[in-house]
Amino acid sequence: EAGVTQFPSHSVIEKGQTVTLRCDPISGHDNLYWYRRVMGKEIKFLLHFVKESKQDESGMPNNRFLAERTGGTYSTLKVQPAELEDSGVYFCASSQGTGPQETQYFGPGTRLLVL
Amino acid sequence: AQSVTQLGSHVSVSEGALVLLRCNYSSSVPPYLFWYVQYPNQGLQLLLKYTSAATLVKGINGFEAEFKKSETSFHLTKPSAHMSDAAEYFCAVSTYTGGFKTIFGAGTRLFVKA
Repeated sequence: EAGVTQFPSHSVIEKGQTVTLRCDPISGHDNLYWYRRVMGKEIKFLLHFVKESKQDESGMPNNRFLAERTGGTYSTLKVQPAELEDSGVYFCASSQGTGPQETQYFGPGTRLLVL
Repeated sequence: AQSVTQLGSHVSVSEGALVLLRCNYSSSVPPYLFWYVQYPNQGLQLLLKYTSAATLVKGINGFEAEFKKSETSFHLTKPSAHMSDAAEYFCAVSTYTGGFKTIFGAGTRLFVKA
């Protein structure tokens, strides 16, 4: 069974540009999460989808970030326009059930560098 | 509010020595606690989780953790370190308080010396 995949693995862009990150969850997982780790700091929750609906987006930093999950399968996270402080590793995770005890399966992350 | 504190951003042990990675949590409701490991260029992998059953939780690769409510701790241990254990380890707490969130610690990088 394929795990969670993320594309691209790395992205280097200039301040003010737009970047779109993609996450493909494990097939059949209704729950999809986005997290971000800024260098040297903790991994922070961004948002949670249940199928195509945003269950919780309280961790999204500001309105420059837009997440979508059309059709309830893969998800995209767009940053527009990117700022220097957006640099970090963006992780996606998926789980089958909903609940705090559920195991989340993580992708390898997208390393974003904004210059 | 829930939070997780990992003591020590870096821990170095010799091969064959005991591994102890410390994690303290803060939670106003019964917590679900997790340890994840991240190897270079890979995603986070679940090592073990506490879900209010046994307080001593055994995970993969010989790791285990003990939930101590009185100390609000969930330290990760392994009796004998192996070179392949070198990685970054994350403690996390997950609760449902109107919304479902997982809160991670800052991570502890484990170095294993030959």
